[in-house]
Amino acid sequence: QITLKESGPTLVKPTQTLSLTCTFSGFSLTTTGVGVAWIRQPPGKALEWLALIYWNDNKSYSPSLQSRLAITKDTSKNQVVLTMTDADPVDTGTYYCAHTTALRFLSHWGQGNLVTVSS
Amino acid sequence: DIQMTQSPSSLSASVGDRVTITCQASQDISDYLNWFQQKPGKAPKVLIYDASNLETGVPSRFSGSGSGTDFTFTITSLQPEDIATYYCQQYRNVPLTFGGGTKLEIK
Repeated sequence: QITLKESGPTLVKPTQTLSLTCTFSGFSLTTTGVGVAWIRQPPGKALEWLALIYWNDNKSYSPSLQSRLAITKDTSKNQVVLTMTDADPVDTGTYYCAHTTALRFLSHWGQGNLVTVSS
Repeated sequence: DIQMTQSPSSLSASVGDRVTITCQASQDISDYLNWFQQKPGKAPKVLIYDASNLETGVPSRFSGSGSGTDFTFTITSLQPEDIATYYCQQYRNVPLTFGGGTKLEIK
């Protein structure tokens, strides 16, 4: 059974760095074709894909946020970390991580972590 | 980037109605399309993948069709528990992109 869970701060001040951790079970990020993605959703708005990391450490980022994002994996801990620099109030929203394979994109999601960026 | 244009943005229908949502891609995405259901306060859930494949455990009243740039999501007989927001999402290319969502309400 695949499960994912996001963890991290609920409140971040503007200009600070936001760091979120996705802890997963039921799959391994050493398996060929497997990846973990991050997606966010501002309150009342649509979903926005942020970043993706694969088993082979290939990474992709949203072009509009690429300069502020970094995604890393720790296979020994079954974790993926997303770091976003220079937080702004428009970054307020629920951040989700999701399991991905070459055949099934975003097939399993975590419950989400609501982050508010405010002074 | 591939733009996903979803319509309508909101929809009100009665229990038992047939409901249709459309999604148009700005370029050919073959059948690399998911449809998600999101209930308030919950994470999105995949209902349809590869444009027309029903996810395991999802009721058969949900279906998807289309290929290339034009896609359709259908609920054949709307049930009260189907009240949610629905999103299409392409995975032909990164960046992965979502439609703007369709909020479905009961009339």
